[in-house]
Amino acid sequence: GAVVSQHPSWVICKSGTSVKIECRSLDFQATTMFWYRQFPKQSLMLMATSNEGSKATYEQGVEKDKFLINHASLTLSTLTVTSAHPEDSSFYICSARIPTLNTIYFGEGSWLTVV
Amino acid sequence: TQLLEQSPQFLSIQEGENLTVYCNSSSVFSSLQWYRQEPGEGPVLLVTVVTGGEVKKLKRLTFQFGDARKDSSLHITAAQPGDTGLYLCAGSLTGGGNKLTFGTGTQLKVEL
Repeated sequence: GAVVSQHPSWVICKSGTSVKIECRSLDFQATTMFWYRQFPKQSLMLMATSNEGSKATYEQGVEKDKFLINHASLTLSTLTVTSAHPEDSSFYICSARIPTLNTIYFGEGSWLTVV
Repeated sequence: TQLLEQSPQFLSIQEGENLTVYCNSSSVFSSLQWYRQEPGEGPVLLVTVVTGGEVKKLKRLTFQFGDARKDSSLHITAAQPGDTGLYLCAGSLTGGGNKLTFGTGTQLKVEL
């Protein structure tokens, strides 16, 4: 079964609105989670590292004011795409590490379409 | 510049054929993972290699980590249509914490 769960699986929103994607670790605590973006038939590009109780660390070129990350608990990180535009349409994936196994698992991904 | 280069980028083969996917870098990784991803889903972990020269087998899949821990390969024997998908290598840089750097990806299609 899934160890990392994302919600929603897909979402359509209008340009200019904001949309929130949730990433939950199931049955384990994740002090660190990661958010990726993936365009069709391309690899995953790391957007940011989500740190529980502190600010997220963003990769170069990722607008922190546009992609808001909140990691308020040890099992939940959220990514909010603010003032979404059609070019933000993409597949967003989160991951978390199971400390005891030193293994990183990925969520099912969330399709965002901005119209 | 991509830190991890995969080759080939695309591969279309017939059922029963063998294939090898390469993952190369100029950087040293403390560990390297291989994932398989199907459209609309998250990547699924296939294997983790941590020791230089390590070879791991998973049924028809053989994974090798280079002696210098800069490269890796995935070999599939007698490919089946169910092997179709996007194969991704991902590495953890020494001192990079839990952050994964993904390879450029190899899209495999196995036809009947």
